[in-house]
This record gives sequence, structure tokens and C-alpha cells, in this order.
Amino acid sequence: EADIYQTPRYLVIGTGKKITLECSQTMGHDKMYWYQQDPGMELHLIHYSYGVNSTEKGDLSSESTVSRIRTEHFPLTLESARPSHTSQYLCASSDPGTGGGYGYTFGSGTRLTVV
Amino acid sequence: GESVGLHLPTLSVQEGDNSIINCAYSNSASDYFIWYKQESGKGPQFIIDIRSNMDKRQGQRVTVLLNKTVKHLSLQIAATQPGDSAVYFCAERFQGAQKLVFGQGTRLTINP
Repeated sequence: EADIYQTPRYLVIGTGKKITLECSQTMGHDKMYWYQQDPGMELHLIHYSYGVNSTEKGDLSSESTVSRIRTEHFPLTLESARPSHTSQYLCASSDPGTGGGYGYTFGSGTRLTVV
Repeated sequence: GESVGLHLPTLSVQEGDNSIINCAYSNSASDYFIWYKQESGKGPQFIIDIRSNMDKRQGQRVTVLLNKTVKHLSLQIAATQPGDSAVYFCAERFQGAQKLVFGQGTRLTINP
């Protein structure tokens, strides 16, 4: 079963609203990532973190922001949602130091629709 | 920049047949590769990985082949089942890098 949790699974929200997508993992992983993905399409890295108080922007420019105050929690915030933000947002974590390889564990995603 | 790419965006196979999903990579310094399966409405799930010092690795009904000479990675699924229908992503890690680079994805459809 998944050890990384994303809430909500689905969110429909009006333009201009502030939203926070939650991501939590119970594996103690240092590294966490946010990807944006249109259905069946490429994964685009928008934010990542290699530990508490460490956050970096990814390869795809995003108007969202992230924070990493606790190891297990990596929330993503949109201050003012727009229809162009409609997408699926996937959170992932990894910890190469555990000897499990460099693979990521993904959450189930949040499907965001901005109307 | 260098990135992982997939030869075919879609692949249809008959149930029971073997499937081969291909992936080309351009960074000869990549030392680790992974295949993920993403079913509709879910996040990608780890299938199998391989390090660059190996040519082949087998799992349950899946085999990953790595050809470093031509920078090619493939995923073979034996006796495909309806549950194998999904989008499959390959990913690579550049040697020394922290992050994975994901390919475009191939949608596998199993015909009854």
C-alpha cells in the first residue's frame, strides 16, 4: 500500500481562489518532488526538496509555491488559481540512501480543475 | 538538453501476446534506469529498475534490457493481461544527479 498520501484526490475550484495541495509520506524520505501531468502525458517537474527548509524550482515554470517545514510534509500552494492550472499534480519521494535504488514512490495525485 | 524519449506513443497488443515497449536515451553518463506503470487515475508505480553495469534484469512477467551501445532500453511484458493496460514511462538518472528524467510515455492497450 502507498506510503505517500495526497489530498484532495479531486478538486474543482473557482478562478482566483487560493488552494493548497497536501502531500505527506511516512517513509522518512529526505527527497520529495511535485510533478504536473496532463492525462496520459509527460511528467513535468515543478518543485523539489532535498530536505527540511530546502526547496527548488523544477524544469517547468510554475506559479505555485512549496514549503518543507517537516520531513514528511510537502504542500503545494497556488495563491490565485486560474483555468491554466487545471491539471493533475503528482507528489513523489525518494531516499537513495536506503539502498532501494533511486526510484521514486508516487502518490495517487490530485486532479485539479479550475473553472 | 538531453532527455529520455520513447519511440512509440501507443502500442496495441492481443491479450496473451508479449509486449515490448522501447525507450531511447541520449545521455551516455546515465547509470540507472527505471520503468514505471501508470494506470488511469493513479500515480506511476515502480515496475523494475536496472543499473548501467547490467544488460538484463528479470522480474515477474517483465524483463528490462539495456543496450548501452545504442543507448536503448526496453521493457518486455510476457503474456500480457488486461491489467497491463496503462501508460508506461521510462526514466533515467544522470550519473551523480539527484533527480530522475522521465520519458514521454507509451500507452499500452490490450485487445481481448
